[in-house]
Amino acid sequence: ETGVTQSPTHLIKTRGQQVTLRCSSQSGHNTVSWYQQALGQGPQFIFQYYREEENGRGNFPPRFSGLQFPNYSSELNVNALELDDSALYLCASSWRGAETQYFGPGTRLLVL
Amino acid sequence: GQQVMQIPQYQHVQEGEDFTTYCNSSTTLSNIQWYKQRPGGHPVFLIQLVKSGEVKKQKRLTFQFGEAKKNSSLHITATQTTDVGTYFCAGFSGAGSYQLTFGKGTKLSVIP
Repeated sequence: ETGVTQSPTHLIKTRGQQVTLRCSSQSGHNTVSWYQQALGQGPQFIFQYYREEENGRGNFPPRFSGLQFPNYSSELNVNALELDDSALYLCASSWRGAETQYFGPGTRLLVL
Repeated sequence: GQQVMQIPQYQHVQEGEDFTTYCNSSTTLSNIQWYKQRPGGHPVFLIQLVKSGEVKKQKRLTFQFGEAKKNSSLHITATQTTDVGTYFCAGFSGAGSYQLTFGKGTKLSVIP
């Protein structure tokens, strides 16, 4: 196992609601990236956080937002949930400058 | 933007047969990474290739990075049932790039 943990493991929400997903990075890692993996697809980059600031963003709307805390843990917030937001949300931690990313087990979100 | 394509999408093999998946990028990559995702699991890092023409082996797995650093392949010799899963390639487009772009993956089924 990588040492990256995520909570909750599963979540069911309805359209229009808001959700917060959490990630604790592997010890010693200072960078957290978030990915969305729809069924049958590869992970898609949402954004990355380093030193508590967003360090890059993929093609996701502003209703996807995040935070990184001083202990390098992170949150992903999604507002105004849509049915298409149903997916596995993965966080990956890494050491800044090292390109290998270590994925957590993910949070499976179902939007009804 | 950068696109990473993988073929085939699915592959069914008899146990003991060989398996190869191919990955092509629309842009030159600074490096390429391979991940394996077991059914119901999360991506697990396998290897990273950095140099043009690089070949690396891990037991029955052989990874290659193309001379132009735009394509890569993963070859498994004598597949076993433990090889079942989806294999993803992923790449960074340039030095300092923070966005890891994944292919859609090749789902491998091994028939005992």
